[in-house]
Amino acid sequence: DAGVIQSPRHEVTEMGQEVTLRCKPISGHNSLFWYRQTMMRGLELLIYFNNNVPIDDSGMPEDRFSAKMPNASFSTLKIQPSEPRDSAVYFCASSFGLSGPQETQYFGPGTRLLVL
Amino acid sequence: GQNIDQPTEMTATEGAIVQINCTYQTSGFNGLFWYQQHAGEAPTFLSYNVLDGLEEKGRFSSFLSRSKGYSYLLLKELQMKDSASYLCAVLDSNYQLIWGAGTKLIIKP
Repeated sequence: DAGVIQSPRHEVTEMGQEVTLRCKPISGHNSLFWYRQTMMRGLELLIYFNNNVPIDDSGMPEDRFSAKMPNASFSTLKIQPSEPRDSAVYFCASSFGLSGPQETQYFGPGTRLLVL
Repeated sequence: GQNIDQPTEMTATEGAIVQINCTYQTSGFNGLFWYQQHAGEAPTFLSYNVLDGLEEKGRFSSFLSRSKGYSYLLLKELQMKDSASYLCAVLDSNYQLIWGAGTKLIIKP
């Protein structure tokens, strides 16, 4: 299995620009999670989907952030407009989303975002 | 509120044993996970506990006491490659995964 795939792996952009991060979950997984990680705040859940439906987006910082999951094999996280404080590593993770050990989340390699 | 506590940093010697503790206060409990994260990489799954007791997996073991809201990860025969952050996470009653801040483990020769 290829694991969770994310692109791009690195992104450098200027403040005010739109940033789109992409994720392909593990085939057969029903839940998909977007996280942000920084030294100061650790790992933060932004949003998660179950069967392509957003279940909890309470972690999304503000209206500048949006996420979509048009089908079971693809999701995007968009930041528009980007700000320097958005600089972080963004991880996508997926799981079977059932219960117990099936909730184990498998992470993609992350996208390292730097907003100048 | 929901809270998970882990030491921020620990240091141990190559070949030795180290225990990383995790205490939690969450709304319900449906299991506890340990993840390893090397610097610059993604977290990777190490273990899952839902019942009290010790789960052993090679050099790594994980213990859970639900009545005490306590878990530990035990690493034996430490190797330099074990230098990483170790994240404790609890699945609450809504099956939301609550993450600790992680423990940075430094292995010295």
